[in-house]
Amino acid sequence: IAGITQAPTSQILAAGRRMTLRCTQDMRHNAMYWYRQDLGLGLRLIHYSNTAGTTGKGEVPDGYSVSRANTDDFPLTLASAVPSQTSVYFCASSDSADNQPQHFGDGTRLSIL
Amino acid sequence: GQNIDQPTEMTATEGAIVQINCTYQTSGFNGLFWYQQHAGEAPTFLSYNVLDGLEEKGRFSSFLSRSKGYSYLLLKELQMKDSASYLCAGMDSNYQLIWGAGTKLIIKP
Repeated sequence: IAGITQAPTSQILAAGRRMTLRCTQDMRHNAMYWYRQDLGLGLRLIHYSNTAGTTGKGEVPDGYSVSRANTDDFPLTLASAVPSQTSVYFCASSDSADNQPQHFGDGTRLSIL
Repeated sequence: GQNIDQPTEMTATEGAIVQINCTYQTSGFNGLFWYQQHAGEAPTFLSYNVLDGLEEKGRFSSFLSRSKGYSYLLLKELQMKDSASYLCAGMDSNYQLIWGAGTKLIIKP
């Protein structure tokens, strides 16, 4: 079934550790996004990529990095995790970086202790 | 600044109609999206409006007034499975989505 796959589903991590959240899509979408979702707040954009080889910063990029080596994969790395990065992380993709609907993965629930 | 406002929670009865309102303020405007999110799951796309007026899609309809910075999602013939959060998102001039915190809809039998 075509879609977006995120891994891991959930993770508990010690503060200071490095962590990479994986995201793969098989829809050949050009644009990909990483969001975090916290209780009482709307989804907030961390980083995005309009096409393979390019990335950009969203609303809350500090402490996170991304890469887009190919069309399908868009990993998100926390270089040194802090408790405030405890959140649910969603990866999304869209056919193009304009007014196309975004399709979401099932999310990664991350707890930083 | 950019902002999306929607009610935190609403309650409705199975079989009834409910309207979820959203007001938006974005830097430029490239459309208004509605998503549905069941608890513990991913958001799924419901509708997109960029022109004024009503878009109907089965039991769900979405309305936009650009001059008022206002949209609503109308759900008819409510079913228990419609219990979810409904997310309003405005697309700004950079084609980035600005998201509301979501409206949790509780359906009672």
